[in-house]
Amino acid sequence: DQQVKQNSPSLSVQEGRISILNCDYTNSMFDYFLWYKKYPAEGPTFLISISSIKDKNEDGRFTVFLNKSAKHLSLHIVPSQPGDSAVYFCAASMKTSYDKVIFGPGTSLSVIP
Amino acid sequence: DVKVTQSSRYLVKRTGEKVFLECVQDMDHENMFWYRQDPGLGLRLIYFSYDVKMKEKGDIPEGYSVSREKKERFSLILESASTNQTSMYLCASSLLRAQNTEAFFGQGTRLTVV
Repeated sequence: DQQVKQNSPSLSVQEGRISILNCDYTNSMFDYFLWYKKYPAEGPTFLISISSIKDKNEDGRFTVFLNKSAKHLSLHIVPSQPGDSAVYFCAASMKTSYDKVIFGPGTSLSVIP
Repeated sequence: DVKVTQSSRYLVKRTGEKVFLECVQDMDHENMFWYRQDPGLGLRLIYFSYDVKMKEKGDIPEGYSVSREKKERFSLILESASTNQTSMYLCASSLLRAQNTEAFFGQGTRLTVV
């Protein structure tokens, strides 16, 4: 059973608009969350993270929001650019095992020029 | 520039062959990981290692083994390749037990078992 879920396999957004990628988790022990971005034929690269003691973390055009009570996080990209077209993976880890990170299935984002 | 290097980008192997996937990192990281990526399933952890000669099973270790004889090198072994092991294999490394650490990934090996 997947502990980290990304229910939208794909998303299309117009260039310049906001992209919102969603992620849900089931394990309340998770306390650290990460987003990775993956282009075809490349390995994933780290994008942004958030600790459970925060509800928001921002890095340039990328903001991650965490709602612990709903076990939900989201990644906002504003404004979206064609170069943001990639697969985005949500991932989570817990205090007892930060070394072991659980990944979601990914959401493929297409930003249309 | 940090680097995780996987020995092959593409491999085609026959059913029943023993297959070795090699990974080397130059960041002096303690942790190394092997994942496989399949459509709709994301990245699933096969094995990881937090020290030389140490290994722990991930979520899908069946049919695989690993070897870590040196800190910088982590090998994934398919003892007898099967068609259901056709997949993208990703190696990663990270610092040990650091909460705010990210994993660095290699470019992936696309393995096809025929």
